[in-house]
Amino acid sequence: KQEVTQIPAALSVPEGENLVLNCSFTDSAIYNLQWFRQDPGKGLTSLLLIQSSQREQTSGRLNASLDKSSGRSTLYIAASQPGDSATYLCAVRANQAGTALIFGKGTTLSVSS
Amino acid sequence: GAVVSQHPSWVICKSGTSVKIECRSLDFQATTMFWYRQFPKQSLMLMATSNEGSKATYEQGVEKDKFLINHASLTLSTLTVTSAHPEDSSFYICSALGQFTGELFFGEGSRLTVL
Repeated sequence: KQEVTQIPAALSVPEGENLVLNCSFTDSAIYNLQWFRQDPGKGLTSLLLIQSSQREQTSGRLNASLDKSSGRSTLYIAASQPGDSATYLCAVRANQAGTALIFGKGTTLSVSS
Repeated sequence: GAVVSQHPSWVICKSGTSVKIECRSLDFQATTMFWYRQFPKQSLMLMATSNEGSKATYEQGVEKDKFLINHASLTLSTLTVTSAHPEDSSFYICSALGQFTGELFFGEGSRLTVL
């Protein structure tokens, strides 16, 4: 059964720092991996989607990498801002038709000004 | 991008009553929808997979008689929490699988509070 682990569980940084969030998964046979942002009491905002054949995706100050063989992904946030404060969720989808995303427990990020 | 709408966004009910949550794909057809539950400060846990025109597949530990799922059309799935109790209070989120794109899209979630 696929398990997704995110480290660290929580992270506090001053504004302007670059930071890395880690995600690992136990079964490397994935269809894709997705990073989400969730603000308190809100739904999910998709940040980056990496297909299994891709190594990385970039959007603005965000860069996500995928090493499928080792079961790891990282989300890099450059020049962090207080508005980046949220919980970041990593999720993977099995390499089978019609499967759901399996989520990690998330990393709660706090960026202070 | 594709839009998935959930209704209601929040609901408060008395213990013992039933609550229905709707999940609609607004601009695409979804043969498969997924229902998740999220407790405070926890991650999303998959509850069940809903396929149009057939019975839902429930994850281990999820009571199918308590959480009734109906997927009667290609754009609508409903989750009914029957005889709700305070421990059912949670954030419920649905996800729809684009029929042709294979991409997953999420609703905004429905917060259930059972008094």
